[in-house]
Amino acid sequence: EAEVAQSPRYKITEKSQAVAFWCDPISGHATLYWYRQILGQGPELLVQFQDESVVDDSQLPKDRFSAERLKGVDSTLKIQPAELGDSAMYLCASSLVGGALNEQFFGPGTRLTVL
Amino acid sequence: AQSVTQLGSHVSVSEGALVLLRCNYSSSVPPYLFWYVQYPNQGLQLLLKYTTGATLVKGINGFEAEFKKSETSFHLRKPSAHMSDAAEYFCAVRLNNAGNMLTFGGGTRLMVKP
Repeated sequence: EAEVAQSPRYKITEKSQAVAFWCDPISGHATLYWYRQILGQGPELLVQFQDESVVDDSQLPKDRFSAERLKGVDSTLKIQPAELGDSAMYLCASSLVGGALNEQFFGPGTRLTVL
Repeated sequence: AQSVTQLGSHVSVSEGALVLLRCNYSSSVPPYLFWYVQYPNQGLQLLLKYTTGATLVKGINGFEAEFKKSETSFHLRKPSAHMSDAAEYFCAVRLNNAGNMLTFGGGTRLMVKP
């Protein structure tokens, strides 16, 4: 069964360091999403890609966060420098296209702890 | 603007008892509504969704939800809880316009007692 892959699963870093997360969506899925899930809360969308283009990054803190999907397949989310408040689960999801009826399939997430 | 409220961050039921998880939404246009389940250290899995048509929708693992426009609600229920249902459940809303962003509620952790 096709799945969304994410790595690493866990990351511990010190504040002011740089971290990067990787996501490989289900093959053929044109739309890719990055969400942040703070402990005890629901996921919040950070950025949405359609192929290699950013569709929505209105909630991405652009002073420290960046995301890319250069070839329209896998994607990287980077934080530099990390802050204590960035501790959260970072979830990647993909869907065939970005329409409202298309199910988003989620990866297992990367749990980030900033010390 | 749209928002999702899940009443009760924690719900505890006995095995075999009715599961009822509450979700209310606010939206200026008819929404699409979703319930997701998240097991520990895993991503979210779609349980069911409402788009149009029949207001009672059935999902996986014996769950169902009913869209009630007059109450702006989309409560999730299961007649008989299993131990394996213990997880976190998220209600989400999505507008059927160009934005198509999923907005999630805060989640409800379901505990099932033997």
